[in-house]
Amino acid sequence: GAVVSQHPSWVICKSGTSVKIECRSLDFQATTMFWYRQFPKQSLMLMATSNEGSKATYEQGVEKDKFLINHASLTLSTLTVTSAHPEDSSFYICSASDRADYEQYFGPGTRLTVT
Amino acid sequence: KNQVEQSPQSLIILEGKNCTLQCNYTVSPFSNLRWYKQDTGRGPVSLTIMTFSENTKSNGRYTATLDADTKQSSLHITASQLSDSASYICRYNQGGKLIFGQGTELSVKP
Repeated sequence: GAVVSQHPSWVICKSGTSVKIECRSLDFQATTMFWYRQFPKQSLMLMATSNEGSKATYEQGVEKDKFLINHASLTLSTLTVTSAHPEDSSFYICSASDRADYEQYFGPGTRLTVT
Repeated sequence: KNQVEQSPQSLIILEGKNCTLQCNYTVSPFSNLRWYKQDTGRGPVSLTIMTFSENTKSNGRYTATLDADTKQSSLHITASQLSDSASYICRYNQGGKLIFGQGTELSVKP
């Protein structure tokens, strides 16, 4: 149980374009989903927390207008990187929880490369 | 100062050997501690979970320990296999807030 999927697993986009990453909880209802970014050989950095049906809470330093998060259902959250730049190239990982204060289950990650 | 520090940063061992990875923390209090294995280009996969009151937890060839007095946790891998090559991350749960270490990169060579 507690399977989380992400799509796509990798994506290459041109600078200035937008890209959407999906995160789905396959066998449970995720009231809360989290988005992380991870640079090579570095720790996971929390970008934002989203609760189903409400606006996401962004961590300090994360631009909410650049990283749009939508958590429209209990099984799906999306992260849209708008006007992507090469410095946005990173590994994006989502996690999901069925309670805001409970354990998180991680997706397999999405490798974003902006050329 | 990071609340969670892992050592070593990287480690190379021969197949079949044992190794121990360290995680020092200043996070207090916390509800549980997890060790994850993260293969390159993949999300973290949980290996063990321990509550604050537990001292040791095993999962096959993986054994995690926790010493609340010295604020140290360790992950011991026995009889390493080539497939153990990955990044190992310790993570503390402080009231729902997850605090990650930077990981130890383990490379198992034949």
